[in-house]
Amino acid sequence: EPEVTQTPSHQVTQMGQEVILRCVPISNHLYFYWYRQILGQKVEFLVSFYNNEISEKSEIFDDQFSVERPDGSNFTLKIRSTKLEDSAMYFCASSRDRNEQFFGPGTRLTVL
Amino acid sequence: AQSVSQHNHHVILSEAASLELGCNYSYGGTVNLFWYVQYPGQHLQLLLKYFSGDPLVKGIKGFEAEFIKSKFSFNLRKPSVQWSDTAEYFCAVNAQGGGQNFVFGPGTRLSVLP
Repeated sequence: EPEVTQTPSHQVTQMGQEVILRCVPISNHLYFYWYRQILGQKVEFLVSFYNNEISEKSEIFDDQFSVERPDGSNFTLKIRSTKLEDSAMYFCASSRDRNEQFFGPGTRLTVL
Repeated sequence: AQSVSQHNHHVILSEAASLELGCNYSYGGTVNLFWYVQYPGQHLQLLLKYFSGDPLVKGIKGFEAEFIKSKFSFNLRKPSVQWSDTAEYFCAVNAQGGGQNFVFGPGTRLSVLP
């Protein structure tokens, strides 16, 4: 069964550094998403992406964040200058339509 | 804006006890409803979903949920829990034909004692 994959599984970075989190969505899916989960808190929507552009974003997704689909398979989330409060689990998801979303295993980002 | 609430922050049960986790949502239109489970150290897994039709939906691992439109509720149930059901459970909604993003509830941590 096809799955969403994410790399790396754990990323440790210094405050102020740029990080890129990578996701490979399910191949015939058209909609892509990033969510985050701060430790002990609920899963929060960051951004959705369709037809090579952002279709929706939350208040969390400020100018420090950007997303890209650089080729036909990867979907990336870049955080330009990481802050301590960016430490969280970041989940990528994809869907074929607007209904069910399939989640990846997550990347744990630790900002020191 | 949509919102999702879950009644219990932490539920502790003994094995073989019955489980019901509450979920209520706030949205004026038609929604899709989901329950996800997150086992310790693992990613979100879909337990079950409701799009339309029979309001009683059955999912994996013996879980079921009932959509009660008049109460804006989608409670998760299992007649007899096992130790392996220890996990965090998240209710989520998204609007049919509207915004694509999921809105998650805060989660309910279930601890099943052997």
